[in-house]
Amino acid sequence: EVRLVESGGVVVQPGGSLRLSCAASGFTFDDYAMHWVRQAPGKGLEWVSLISWDGSRTYYADSVKGRFTISRDNSKNSLYLDMNSLKPEDTALFYCAKDLDPFWSGSYGPFDSWGQGTLVTVSS
Amino acid sequence: MVMTQSPATLSVSPGQRATLSCRASQSVSSNLAWYQQKRGQAPRLLIYGASTRATGIPARFSGSGSGTEFTLTISSLQSEDFAIYYCQQYKKWPWTFGQGTKVEIK
Repeated sequence: EVRLVESGGVVVQPGGSLRLSCAASGFTFDDYAMHWVRQAPGKGLEWVSLISWDGSRTYYADSVKGRFTISRDNSKNSLYLDMNSLKPEDTALFYCAKDLDPFWSGSYGPFDSWGQGTLVTVSS
Repeated sequence: MVMTQSPATLSVSPGQRATLSCRASQSVSSNLAWYQQKRGQAPRLLIYGASTRATGIPARFSGSGSGTEFTLTISSLQSEDFAIYYCQQYKKWPWTFGQGTKVEIK
């Protein structure tokens, strides 16, 4: 069974930094691209970032580019999101999600497994 | 790329059909997925490739369309189907979601 467990969400002041982690199990982690998706309270889903199966390619939403960094450690079956210069509008539940197909099949996505999310609150 | 869903809210009686729409601002071919999200839960993949049901998804869920116009149909709504539904394009960066359609009990 695929399992994704996020952690690291806390209350942080504007301008602060934070690292989120996602522990993966139940599948061959280093075969799959992984994503971070966030959801502000009472709002819809916003894709945040993607990292390819081998970590060689990364992509970011414009709203976080230059502030967030996605990474992975395939030896630890773990995905990370380093967040800097946090703003109140970054307040959200952050999900990690797994690509449906291994490696790259012509496109990244869709996302067939999701964690339960970790809550990041940016407030003074 | 902007994904626009309609309606924002759909009121349907149990056992009735629900039809949800999603429009892309430019062609996404068939790189379109539908997700279901219940209150307090993570999204669940229902449909990908515009019309392929994900593993374990009941046959009452079906998807259609290509290019810029897509539809999710729930043939006979069950109590567990009342939720928010999101479409998502995965043709290219950024991997955008629609704003969601809430399916509520009439």
